[in-house]
Amino acid sequence: DVQMTQSPSYLAASPGESVSISCKASKSISNNLAWYQEKPGKANKLLIHSGSTLQSGTPSRFSGSRSGTDFTLTIRSLEFEDFAVYYCQQYNEYPLTFGSGTKLEIK
Amino acid sequence: QIQLVQSGPELKKPGESVKISCKASGYTFTDYAMHWVKQAPGKGLKWMGWINTYTGKPTYADDFKGRFVFSLEASASTANLQISNLKNEDTATYFCARYRTGTTVANWFAYWGQGTLVTVSS
Repeated sequence: DVQMTQSPSYLAASPGESVSISCKASKSISNNLAWYQEKPGKANKLLIHSGSTLQSGTPSRFSGSRSGTDFTLTIRSLEFEDFAVYYCQQYNEYPLTFGSGTKLEIK
Repeated sequence: QIQLVQSGPELKKPGESVKISCKASGYTFTDYAMHWVKQAPGKGLKWMGWINTYTGKPTYADDFKGRFVFSLEASASTANLQISNLKNEDTATYFCARYRTGTTVANWFAYWGQGTLVTVSS
């Protein structure tokens, strides 16, 4: 199985700041990586797929990048609505696997 | 619009069974597979497997073979997850989810249910 190592598990930032979340795959997954946002009481929201392609409706302050097996989700100019939990997911092969999540909280 | 609406929270005792449902709307149910994902309290997401909504054939991830059963009520556009002989470690929120397309090749989830909390406690 492809292990997804996500870091940090916890991140505190202020509105207006920029943050980055990392996800490292245990082997090559090409660019077959998605990022999701989780908020209480809401369905998980797909933000980015194919490593860097913004899903329709995802604000442009979100971006995704890849370097080999390392993937990064960057959120620029944080807004209050961005404070949530973020997960990465590889879909290069079954079983699908997720990172352990990053909780982004307001500092 | 496309919606996946899951049944409400369940409180069960160890050894009991539970069946949770995921009702789809806004698309042709049998055109898209339905996946299930587990999230234990304070933990990350774990893919459980999927069911072909056209043929009814389920595919289970290794950790979910045995006590877990995916089923359909296709006429009601509903996918079900049944867990038998419940254990404390089955306490979790269970999500149904769907790919953007009808592919069965590994893909990302464009649509998620809101989750169903199953609590197993004596």
